[in-house]
Amino acid sequence: GQNIDQPTEMTATEGAIVQINCTYQTSGFNGLFWYQQHAGEAPTFLSYNVLDGLEEKGRFSSFLSRSKGYSYLLLKELQMKDSASYLCAVMDSNYQLIWGAGTKLIIKP
Amino acid sequence: GAVVSQHPSWVICKSGTSVKIECRSLDFQATTMFWYRQFPKQSLMLMATSNEGSKATYEQGVEKDKFLINHASLTLSTLTVTSAHPEDSSFYICSAASGRETNEQFFGPGTRLTVL
Repeated sequence: GQNIDQPTEMTATEGAIVQINCTYQTSGFNGLFWYQQHAGEAPTFLSYNVLDGLEEKGRFSSFLSRSKGYSYLLLKELQMKDSASYLCAVMDSNYQLIWGAGTKLIIKP
Repeated sequence: GAVVSQHPSWVICKSGTSVKIECRSLDFQATTMFWYRQFPKQSLMLMATSNEGSKATYEQGVEKDKFLINHASLTLSTLTVTSAHPEDSSFYICSAASGRETNEQFFGPGTRLTVL
């Protein structure tokens, strides 16, 4: 079966760095996405990785290792507004997104 | 960037009535549109995938006669929840894909449906 695993909840301090891990097992691979979702809102796109390596975009970076079926989202200089759920999603061979359950990130002052 | 709108943002209806939700891609043509449902504190659940001019492909366990999807143009898809019941109360989100190289899906803001 297809499976996406990510931690249910993480807590971090304002100004710090946090890494959210995602492991996956899917039938085929056409890219991995990270989305941010605030409570009561739709997801917003953060990053897309299809090749191995690190993609940096401002305070957010995303890493992919296809051989290990592993990705992480790195958030630097955390701000209170970063409190949200972070969803990992993999596009399979049918170009369908397989979603993880999301990681709720709690930022404390 | 690509913008997707949904209407209405929220709706409250009586049990047994039907509700139509519209999803529009405002500044691009969407070859494919997706409908998701999300219950509180759970992840997105794909309900169906629709391509313009063809019948939608429903995920296992989703009743096609209850959740009617129409994708009449490259910028509009509608989801109709027929004979709604309280257990259909949920957050319904659509997304649209342009078919470009990033495979990115652009999400609408969602519609919160409450069935009394």
